[in-house]
This record gives sequence, structure tokens and C-alpha cells, in this order.
Amino acid sequence: EADIYQTPRYLVIGTGKKITLECSQTMGHDKMYWYQQDPGMELHLIHYSYGVNSTEKGDLSSESTVSRIRTEHFPLTLESARPSHTSQYLCASSPVSGEQFFGPGTRLTVL
Amino acid sequence: GDSVTQMEGPVTLSEEAFLTINCTYTATGYPSLFWYVQYPGEGLQLLLKATKADDKGSNKGFEATYRKETTSFHLEKGSVQVSDSAVYFCALRDSSASKIIFGSGTRLSIRP
Repeated sequence: EADIYQTPRYLVIGTGKKITLECSQTMGHDKMYWYQQDPGMELHLIHYSYGVNSTEKGDLSSESTVSRIRTEHFPLTLESARPSHTSQYLCASSPVSGEQFFGPGTRLTVL
Repeated sequence: GDSVTQMEGPVTLSEEAFLTINCTYTATGYPSLFWYVQYPGEGLQLLLKATKADDKGSNKGFEATYRKETTSFHLEKGSVQVSDSAVYFCALRDSSASKIIFGSGTRLSIRP
């Protein structure tokens, strides 16, 4: 069973607030990913990391930022939340050449 | 670039019906192929996978065969249950193993 955790599961916040979505995995995977999932279900890769101190932007432009200071931790930060950031955010990890394991997701609502 | 095209939904079936969700791909080299399932309010879970041509992945009564000649990886189940209601994603990992590319997802609803 995959051990990848996301907190909070649900977050409702006002416009302009700074938020950090947490993602941790205990599998020792080098690769980690953040996806944004719109109501139409499609997944959009917004950030990924291939190891400590390595971060890259994904296919979909995002105002969020990420950091990878420890192998197991890959937080995503929004400096100033806006209603357009309302979405489901999914974190995933994978070994070098294996399938991705997903966390349960964080559903973010910005009022 | 590499891409995955899957059947648009929603797909609605009665319990015990036969299920097929079509998936085709475009890729250079020899990708690995996956089906993921997402139940309501959860993240994605790997359902099955196949890593080379003619491999058949299977799990929980679902099957998919890697067909290189038709570049397809269709998902099938002989008798669906209400509990199979979910969103299904077809995906590929290219031979360089850099990223996984997902299809747009197919929502499946099963009526009792």
C-alpha cells in the first residue's frame, strides 16, 4: 500500500491569504509531482521534482511555488490565493522508473 | 509528442453489463501503459499495467492488453458492479521514464 499523505484534505480560505499544501511520502521515492485537477476531471501537471533541491514547472502554468528540501516532503505554496485557484490538488510520487502513487488530494476553495 | 486518447464519458451501464473503455496512444519507442481509477473524493489508484507488447494487465476483474499494432490499451470487465462507479484514466510512461502522460479520464456510472 502506498504511503503518501496530503494535508489538509479540505481548505476554504479568503482571497489574498497565503496557503501551503503539504505532501509527504514514506517510500523514499526520488520523484514527486503536483497536479491540478479541474471539475472536468483532467489532470494538469503543475510542478515536479526529481530529487532534493530539484524543482521544475509542469505543463500548466501555475502561480504556485514548490520546494524540495527533504526527499519525503514536497509542499506547494500560494502566496496570495484567488478564486481562480479553486481546484483539487493531487500530489504523487514515483521511483525512478515505476508507476506513480497518489495522495488523497486537497480540495481548495478560495472565496 | 506522446499522447493518450481515451473514450469520452460519461458511460452509464446497468449492473452485470460488459464494460469497454477505449484507449489509444501515440508514443515513440516502447512505453509502459497504465489504467488508474479515481473513486469519489479520493486520489488516483493504479488499477493495472503492462510494460511490453502483448502483455495483459489484470486486477479486480478488469483486464487490458497492450496492442502495439493498433497502439491501444482498452479496459474491459465482464460484469460490472455498482462499486465500479469511478473515473478511469489511461496513461503511458515513455521509454525515457521521465513523466507519465494521462488521458482526460472517463466517468463510469453503474445503475443497480
